[in-house]
Parts: sequence; C-alpha cells; structure tokens
Amino acid sequence: AQKVTQAQTEISVVEKEDVTLDCVYETRDTTYYLFWYKQPPSGELVFLIRRNSFDEQNEISGRYSWNFQKSTSSFNFTITASQVVDSAVYFCALSEAGYSTLTFGKGTMLLVSP
Amino acid sequence: DGGITQSPKYLFRKEGQNVTLSCEQNLNHDAMYWYRQDPGQGLRLIYYSQIVNDFQKGDIAEGYSVSREKKESFPLTVTSAQKNPTAFYLCASSIRSQPQHFGDGTRLSIL
Repeated sequence: AQKVTQAQTEISVVEKEDVTLDCVYETRDTTYYLFWYKQPPSGELVFLIRRNSFDEQNEISGRYSWNFQKSTSSFNFTITASQVVDSAVYFCALSEAGYSTLTFGKGTMLLVSP
Repeated sequence: DGGITQSPKYLFRKEGQNVTLSCEQNLNHDAMYWYRQDPGQGLRLIYYSQIVNDFQKGDIAEGYSVSREKKESFPLTVTSAQKNPTAFYLCASSIRSQPQHFGDGTRLSIL
C-alpha cells in the first residue's frame, strides 16, 4: 500500500523568507512518480512538478526547488523568497507506474504574510 | 480553451435525495477521476475511469455512483446512502501517465 505523509499541517512565514515543505512517502514499487500540487483559496489544484523514481536530480524552477532523496523516501519542496501569492495549500502525491491514480498527503497550508 | 468544467460550483442536498455533480473535459483525455476533499484530510479517490464504459472504485466509493458513457463526461451521483456528503468534490482527467488536470470543484452541503 502507498502512503504519503506531510507532517506540517500549517506553516506561517513572512514575505521573503525561504520555506521548505516536507513530504515523506511509502511504496513497495521500484518505479513510481511523485508530484506536488498547489491549491490556492479558489480551490482548483495546480500541477507544479512530477518526478519519476529513477530521476533523483534536484530541480529548480524560478523560486521553486525540489529535493528528491530515495534513501530517505522524501520529496521536499522549497520556496525561496516567499511571496504573499504563494499562500495556498500544497499537496504531495504519489502514483505507481502503470497506474494513473494518485495517493495524496493531507496537505500543508502555507500562509505568507506581508 | 481546453480544460475541465465542473458544475455546479455550489450544491445543496436534502435528506434522502440523490444529487449529480457534472464533470466535462475537452482535453481528449482517456482517464477521469473523482476525489473528495474534507478539511485536513487531503484528497481521497472515489471512482476513476480509464476508458469509456468502464470505471473502478477508489478508496471511498460507498454511497457514490458514476457513469462514463462519453469520453468527455464523467458525472458523479451522491446517493442517499452517503451519510456524510458535505465536502469539496474535485474532478480530474489525464492521458497515459501524464499529470492529472483538475477542475475548479463543487462544494456540496446538506440542507
């Protein structure tokens, strides 16, 4: 069975601070995909990134970066120089290769204050 | 614009009533999904369909039903058997192993 744990329920930071959202996963498969989605107050989920289990390279996209470590089963997400518009709930998710369904963590609510 | 349309945005259900949530996509995606979101619980899979006229139960299918008569449509019926239907419902679609695209959601409440 798959499981995704986001231990941080809520994080509050002040604008321009860096913040890291943690994600730990469990799966028996050797081939799988990891995802991050953003849910702003309007409710829709916005896709941010997908990584497959064979690609442990860290990725950077503007102020966003992701650190994938198979040794610790973690896929952490860092926002550098946070902005008020980053305020949202962020979900980490996992899917097994060959299946398209996602297992989500419970989400981390990020509040960025001016 | 291509995307996923969920309607209505808000829905109210009376006791003993079935209600149907609409989900339509024009992305030509093969697979479609329904998730339920409760506060602090993340998203849980209700049903999914990978091809027309076929669908599978997810983790919390009891009290729900779906149909997939057309590729672009995947309506979800919340039946009277679902005793705690108040939640935010999200529909998604995907093609092959590509990331899922989500609609804007429907918020269902009990009257």
